[in-house]
Amino acid sequence: TQLLEQSPQFLSIQEGENLTVYCNSSSVFSSLQWYRQEPGEGPVLLVTVVTGGEVKKLKRLTFQFGDARKDSSLHITAAQPGDTGLYLCAGARSNTGKLIFGQGTTLQVKP
Amino acid sequence: DAGVIQSPRHEVTEMGQEVTLRCKPISGHDYLFWYRQTMMRGLELLIYFNNNVPIDDSGMPEDRFSAKMPNASFSTLKIQPSEPRDSAVYFCASSFRASGMVGETQYFGPGTRLLVL
Repeated sequence: TQLLEQSPQFLSIQEGENLTVYCNSSSVFSSLQWYRQEPGEGPVLLVTVVTGGEVKKLKRLTFQFGDARKDSSLHITAAQPGDTGLYLCAGARSNTGKLIFGQGTTLQVKP
Repeated sequence: DAGVIQSPRHEVTEMGQEVTLRCKPISGHDYLFWYRQTMMRGLELLIYFNNNVPIDDSGMPEDRFSAKMPNASFSTLKIQPSEPRDSAVYFCASSFRASGMVGETQYFGPGTRLLVL
């Protein structure tokens, strides 16, 4: 059973386009993180959202945590080839000590 | 700090052989995690330690897998005997505090790419 469902699984777009990646669950999380992974490397944390309804911006990336803390979205404005990679959402419950990862969204931005 | 260090980076072995993966966490981090990543199943948590003690090993596939953390600066993941379906990228990660605490981050190593023939 996949507790965190990401969509879409694959996305190929042209440079300059906008996109949104979704991370959904039926479970409530105390916090949710987004990671980015490049080929041959481990995931690297982009952002952590904690409060329901919270919105965080990181340059052209906008992250939102759902009001009920069950879902999240990542929006990229004017995508660039450097944004290419695997985007993973990960949820945590209180202080269990561990994260539950979604399947990931593979993004390819073509010049 | 050099970050999380994993060795080897690549491992090719034959079915039935023993495989040992190694990890050195970031100094001062109390939590260490072992993950497995495949195209089919994504990133799966195998086991994690807190202060060198295994806390949750519910993700360990079967008895062929074992993990140890003899001290704060070293951990191993062993597969014996290995099978072709164990082929995957194995990541080690560490963190200062429990995941889910505000501001906490897991730092991942570069991974070990394992191919079992």
